[in-house]
Amino acid sequence: EAGVAQSPRYKIIEKRQSVAFWCNPISGHATLYWYQQILGQGPKLLIQFQNNGVVDDSQLPKDRFSAERLKGVDSTLKIQPAKLEDSAVYLCASSWSLNQPQHFGDGTRLSIL
Amino acid sequence: KNEVEQSPQNLTAQEGEFITINCSYSVGISALHWLQQHPGGGIVSLFMLSSGKKKHGRLIATINIQEKHSSLHITASHPRDSAVYICAVRMDSNYQLIWGAGTKLIIKP
Repeated sequence: EAGVAQSPRYKIIEKRQSVAFWCNPISGHATLYWYQQILGQGPKLLIQFQNNGVVDDSQLPKDRFSAERLKGVDSTLKIQPAKLEDSAVYLCASSWSLNQPQHFGDGTRLSIL
Repeated sequence: KNEVEQSPQNLTAQEGEFITINCSYSVGISALHWLQQHPGGGIVSLFMLSSGKKKHGRLIATINIQEKHSSLHITASHPRDSAVYICAVRMDSNYQLIWGAGTKLIIKP
């Protein structure tokens, strides 16, 4: 089966600009996750969707970050405006349901200048 | 106090040694995950447990629900096992997924 697809792989922007990441989960996976991983740290869950509904977004900085999964398949994560501390790898994962193993994409490495 | 704590934070061992990584949690859970992250970023899900024990190759994961504790064991460790091992729990109250800080394992040849 095809894995979780993410794009772009790399993105470099200046602070205060906007950026968007895209994730296509494994076909049929109802649960989708977005993580932020800062260099040297473990992944931090930003938001998790069950189909097109949000299960948990308690750690999403909602003043600048937004995410959607309108049709319950693909998802986009947006940062507007970006800050220097947003430099990180943004990982998308999906699973059949909430209590099933997660499959991870390769991530998008974001650098803020 | 973190809701999910892993120990040790760092572990260096010689090839062939038996490795144990521990995870303790303080919340009610519906499932516990063990994941592996290699240098360069790729994350792989190793196990998902809600009770008992699971084995896959040289990896064994156990969970004791009463004691709120899980262990990940690696038998006959190999340098390619060098990675960060992360424990994550799914809370049974609100479906939140809480991650541990990870254990960095280095296996020397």
